Amino acid sequence: SQKIEQNSEALNIQEGKTATLTCNYTNYSPAYLQWYRQDPGRGPVFLLLIRENEKEKRKERLKVTFDTTLKQSLFHITASQPADSATYLCALDMGSSYKLIFGSGTRLLVRP
Amino acid sequence: GAVVSQHPSWVICKSGTSVKIECRSLDFQATTMFWYRQFPKQSLMLMATSNEGSKATYEQGVEKDKFLINHASLTLSTLTVTSAHPEDSSFYICSAQTEWSQGRAETQYFGPGTRLLVL
Repeated sequence: SQKIEQNSEALNIQEGKTATLTCNYTNYSPAYLQWYRQDPGRGPVFLLLIRENEKEKRKERLKVTFDTTLKQSLFHITASQPADSATYLCALDMGSSYKLIFGSGTRLLVRP
Repeated sequence: GAVVSQHPSWVICKSGTSVKIECRSLDFQATTMFWYRQFPKQSLMLMATSNEGSKATYEQGVEKDKFLINHASLTLSTLTVTSAHPEDSSFYICSAQTEWSQGRAETQYFGPGTRLLVL
């Protein structure tokens, strides 16, 4: 069966540390993988997109890796801040259909 | 840029009534709009995809006669929940995507969501 798995348990880290979130998928072949941030009661906000032929993408304190062999993406936030506390969603984009298939998200808590 | 609004932000209605939710792209033309539903602590589930001027494409298990979608212009799509029941209570989120001259944009821009509570 097709699955997208993100760690359902909250990730609790100290301010200043690097947060690493994982997204694993099975029986999909996405053309792109996207990461979004969602705050409580709000819609998702786009953060980063990585293509299937890219290994790594960076944007300021954010870094995403994409391993199509392992079928896994890692999302890193360096020098984390309490304002980074939110739920982070990964989404698979098959390309041709324009549809996004979302994981259930991982909640990140950054302690001051 | 790329702002998407939704109206209303929350709505409470009685069982059996219909509710209309609007999704607008404020500063770009959205060739495609998507409607999602999200239950507490769960992921966003795609309900339907709508292209301006054509009928929406519904995901498996989503009743098209219950969730009416209209995408009459490049900046507005509406979702009408007809004969709403308590199990329809959820967080409804739209997103919009534009198509550049060289092909579609890769990013969807999401609205802030509409919380529906059916009593």
